[in-house]
Amino acid sequence: DGGITQSPKYLFRKEGQNVTLSCEQNLNHDAMYWYRQDPGQGLRLIYYSQIVNDFQKGDIAEGYSVSREKKESFPLTVTSAQKNPTAFYLCASSIVQGMRDQPQHFGDGTRLSIL
Amino acid sequence: AQSVTQLDSHVSVSEGTPVLLRCNYSSSYSPSLFWYVQHPNKGLQLLLKYTSAATLVKGINGFEAEFKKSETSFHLTKPSAHMSDAAEYFCVVSDRSSNTGKLIFGQGTTLQVKP
Repeated sequence: DGGITQSPKYLFRKEGQNVTLSCEQNLNHDAMYWYRQDPGQGLRLIYYSQIVNDFQKGDIAEGYSVSREKKESFPLTVTSAQKNPTAFYLCASSIVQGMRDQPQHFGDGTRLSIL
Repeated sequence: AQSVTQLDSHVSVSEGTPVLLRCNYSSSYSPSLFWYVQHPNKGLQLLLKYTSAATLVKGINGFEAEFKKSETSFHLTKPSAHMSDAAEYFCVVSDRSSNTGKLIFGQGTTLQVKP
């Protein structure tokens, strides 16, 4: 079955620590996205990538970093500069052709908490 | 600028009664609109999408939505609610100002289904 796998499901961060969230897809999608979801709010875009070795900042990129070395993988690092990292993080992907009208497919998320 | 407004943060219905979740959009372009559903601690699942074809769009699980340009609305309906419909619902517009595939999310509507 094709899909998006996010790991771990739950993650805890200590003060001053960087943590990396994994996102892998086997849908052969070119575009991948990272969102942050806080209670009672919609999703906010952190970073997105339309092609390997290229990515752009979204609306709330400060304190986060990404890489896109492989088509299938788009890991997100939450750095110590992100002072309020507690949230639910969602990864998504979509095809590129006609991409303005394409729906995104989502993983099941990683819940990050502060120790 | 494009945006979506979900008019109700919380909707409560009884099992077997109709569901109406309201969404208004704002767009300088002919919009692409989506409805997604999110169950607790899960990712988002696409219910349906509108991309300038038929104005009445049928989705999964008996849901449908009608695009009304004159009212700038895209309300989600279902004739008869089921307990399994209890979830968070997001109205989403595609960011057509750029060819990036970015989506703009509403704040979400929590649907409660009472037995």
